[in-house]
Amino acid sequence: AQSVAQPEDQVNVAEGNPLTVKCTYSVSGNPYLFWYVQYPNRGLQFLLKYITGDNLVKGSYGFEAEFNKSQTSFHLKKPSALVSDSALYFCAVRDKSGANNLFFGTGTRLTVIP
Amino acid sequence: ETGVTQSPTHLIKTRGQQVTLRCSSQSGHNTVSWYQQALGQGPQFIFQYYREEENGRGNFPPRFSGLQFPNYSSELNVNALELDDSALYLCASSLDSSYTSPLHFGNGTRLTVT
Repeated sequence: AQSVAQPEDQVNVAEGNPLTVKCTYSVSGNPYLFWYVQYPNRGLQFLLKYITGDNLVKGSYGFEAEFNKSQTSFHLKKPSALVSDSALYFCAVRDKSGANNLFFGTGTRLTVIP
Repeated sequence: ETGVTQSPTHLIKTRGQQVTLRCSSQSGHNTVSWYQQALGQGPQFIFQYYREEENGRGNFPPRFSGLQFPNYSSELNVNALELDDSALYLCASSLDSSYTSPLHFGNGTRLTVT
């Protein structure tokens, strides 16, 4: 069975500092991993995905994520946080052993402090 | 290119009633999925339609049903509404039903059951 854990409900970071939002996953087969961002009263926006290949994936708005198979992690990162990055971030996983749907974590609220 | 649009944006229903939510897929997308997002939670998969056929379902009772039309728009129907059905309902479309295709979400319909 697939599952995703986002261990931090809330992450606070000062503007201009690097940010990391953590995600670990559990799947039976090879994972397909995704990050989404949700702004208030809006749907989810796709940021980036890992399918195969290079462990460092680059996505929208300067975000990147690092896939670590041995630690079953897929942490989201950004070198320099902006106040506008404040939002709710969701990690999600699929694998081919199950139905073709995304399993989402419970989300991490990122607050960037000016 | 138009994104995923959902209607209505907000809805209030009484327990026991029925509701229909609507979704127009992003142009060129033939797969649509529906998710339920309860307050403070990550989205939960309801079902997916590919070329008008249901091809995956999450752990939701049969009173949750759907349709996909030839133009790839979709409906989510919920019968015999319960208080716990109060949530944000998200529609997402994707280019195809492959495991690597990211989902593109609409802004959701906020359903309140009283």
